[in-house]
Amino acid sequence: DGGITQSPKYLFRKEGQNVTLSCEQNLNHDAMYWYRQDPGQGLRLIYYSQIVNDFQKGDIAEGYSVSREKKESFPLTVTSAQKNPTAFYLCASTSGQSRYEQYFGPGTRLTVT
Amino acid sequence: LAKTTQPISMDSYEGQEVNITCSHNNIATNDYITWYQQFPSQGPRFIIQGYKTKVTNEVASLFIPADRKSSTLSLPRVSLSDTAVYYCLVGDFVNSGGYQKVTFGTGTKLQVIP
Repeated sequence: DGGITQSPKYLFRKEGQNVTLSCEQNLNHDAMYWYRQDPGQGLRLIYYSQIVNDFQKGDIAEGYSVSREKKESFPLTVTSAQKNPTAFYLCASTSGQSRYEQYFGPGTRLTVT
Repeated sequence: LAKTTQPISMDSYEGQEVNITCSHNNIATNDYITWYQQFPSQGPRFIIQGYKTKVTNEVASLFIPADRKSSTLSLPRVSLSDTAVYYCLVGDFVNSGGYQKVTFGTGTKLQVIP
């Protein structure tokens, strides 16, 4: 089955630690995205990547970093510089045909205390 | 990017048809209208997309009037499992090489009541 996997589903960290969230897709999609969702809010774009070895900042990139060394993988690092990292993180991908038919992973809920 | 406006929340009884309207007065000629569904603690799921008139699939129907300044997502005979947040997005369909940011607003929270 093709799809997007994110791991882990729940993640707990102490303040001041960096943490990396995994996102893998086997849909052969070129573009991948990271979103953040806070309770009762919509999705906000953190970073996106249209091709391997290239990525762009979204609306709320401060305190986050990404890499795109392989087409299938787009890990997100939440650094200690992110002031309020506790949130639900969603990874998505899309084919070149449409940016709007995005396929989402199950999400990772990060709690930082 | 066309701004969209949709109701914050709606309630409906099981078995009823639900219509969620999205306003997008500044829609551009090349823009398509796309709807997503999101259940709690899950990623959004693509439901339907259209350009004009009516589009129907196994999940929903999308009605778009001639002026395209609004659209209506119609869910027939809703059940409790349709309780979710529904997002309306408007933007360019074809990836022309320039990235157009995909913006999810707060959506419409649909609560289906037994």
